[in-house]
Amino acid sequence: DAKTTQPTSMDCAEGRAANLPCNHSTISGNEYVYWYRQIHSQGPQYIIHGLKNNETNEMASLIITEDRKSSTLILPHATLRDTAVYYCIVRVRSGGGADGLTFGKGTHLIIQP
Amino acid sequence: SAVISQKPSRDICQRGTSLTIQCQVDSQVTMMFWYRQQPGQSLTLIATANQGSEATYESGFVIDKFPISRPNLTFSTLTVSNMSPEDSSIYLCSVEGRGGSADTQYFGPGTRLTVL
Repeated sequence: DAKTTQPTSMDCAEGRAANLPCNHSTISGNEYVYWYRQIHSQGPQYIIHGLKNNETNEMASLIITEDRKSSTLILPHATLRDTAVYYCIVRVRSGGGADGLTFGKGTHLIIQP
Repeated sequence: SAVISQKPSRDICQRGTSLTIQCQVDSQVTMMFWYRQQPGQSLTLIATANQGSEATYESGFVIDKFPISRPNLTFSTLTVSNMSPEDSSIYLCSVEGRGGSADTQYFGPGTRLTVL
């Protein structure tokens, strides 16, 4: 079973910041938080991951609470192309012998024009 | 990130037949994975494929139904055997790379299978 809880759906206006929450209250000390998204009929796309520090890349920012029990993915200026299902996943990071990902139901983010 | 291709992109098959799906990566990777996404559902891991060893299957998936090959570090196949309409799904491969991307999985575009 997935170790994360996400809202089923969210709306956001185009051009505004989209903030997607994720609860992972049972996360272990060696587990990272990963975010992927899946645009309709395509393979999941990696967005970002982090352990305990906030992270930022060209796609998004990841804010992880100090107790690591929850996180927020931020898309700073949402566009219509950001409409997708967003998955928050926790897993142990390893350089080899890794396990597959356990996907929950994710959040269906709809960007409104 | 790795560039991953899958063949075929989609197919419509008759029940009782088998389909082999190919996954090709543009660089050598240690780990390859196969997932299934049933209509309206999230992704479920089928198996992990390591080069030179037998695939490791998740609970509910068996080798007779989903045989997997991993002949080298850039290629893998998944066969869906003796298909029924319940096998209609999107099948996706993913890879876990070495080096800078050793801790991240990247997904192929998927194969959309419809079984009549």
